[in-house]
Amino acid sequence: AQKVTQAQTEISVVEKEDVTLDCVYETRDTTYYLFWYKQPPSGELVFLIRRNSFDEQNEISGRYSWNFQKSTSSFNFTITASQVVDSAVYFCALSEAAGISNFGNEKLTFGTGTRLTIIP
Amino acid sequence: DTAVSQTPKYLVTQMGNDKSIKCEQNLGHDTMYWYKQDSKKFLKIMFSYNNKELIINETVPNRFSPKSPDKAHLNLHINSLELGDSAVYFCASSLTLSGSHSTEAFFGQGTRLTVV
Repeated sequence: AQKVTQAQTEISVVEKEDVTLDCVYETRDTTYYLFWYKQPPSGELVFLIRRNSFDEQNEISGRYSWNFQKSTSSFNFTITASQVVDSAVYFCALSEAAGISNFGNEKLTFGTGTRLTIIP
Repeated sequence: DTAVSQTPKYLVTQMGNDKSIKCEQNLGHDTMYWYKQDSKKFLKIMFSYNNKELIINETVPNRFSPKSPDKAHLNLHINSLELGDSAVYFCASSLTLSGSHSTEAFFGQGTRLTVV
């Protein structure tokens, strides 16, 4: 069974500090996808990134960066120079790839989320 | 234009009532989902549909009945509502590509259901 662990329940940092959110996953699949979603106080779920299990390159998007390490089954998320608007609950998620006979079976298994508070 | 839209956004109802939540996506996706987020923010899949066909049913009580009239719509009907059904329900959709490809799911804004 798939499992995603976000050990950090809550993190608070002062604005402009860097912060890393940890995500550790378990899966028996050789092909899988990892995701990060943001849930701001308004409640919607905002997609941030999707990473294929065969692509271990780190990714940077503005102040956001992701470190995927298959050897440790981790997919960590770093926000550089944090801002108050980054305050939200962040979810890491895992899905298995859809094979030809598995269309529609791409369910997301979510971690329990990390509540990030940026202090002005 | 909202990509995945759910109605209503808030729903307050009494125990024992029957209610429906509607979901529509205009992204041309072929797979739609219902997820439940409980009071502790834990998100768990309930159902998925691909091209109107039920694919995933994650041991949800049969008081919950999804219905997909077409690829762009997935509604959720709940009978005999219980206090424990209070949660935020999210609809989502994704596009299944050929081969072993899974695309990101786009979520609606959620429906906060409160059963009193």
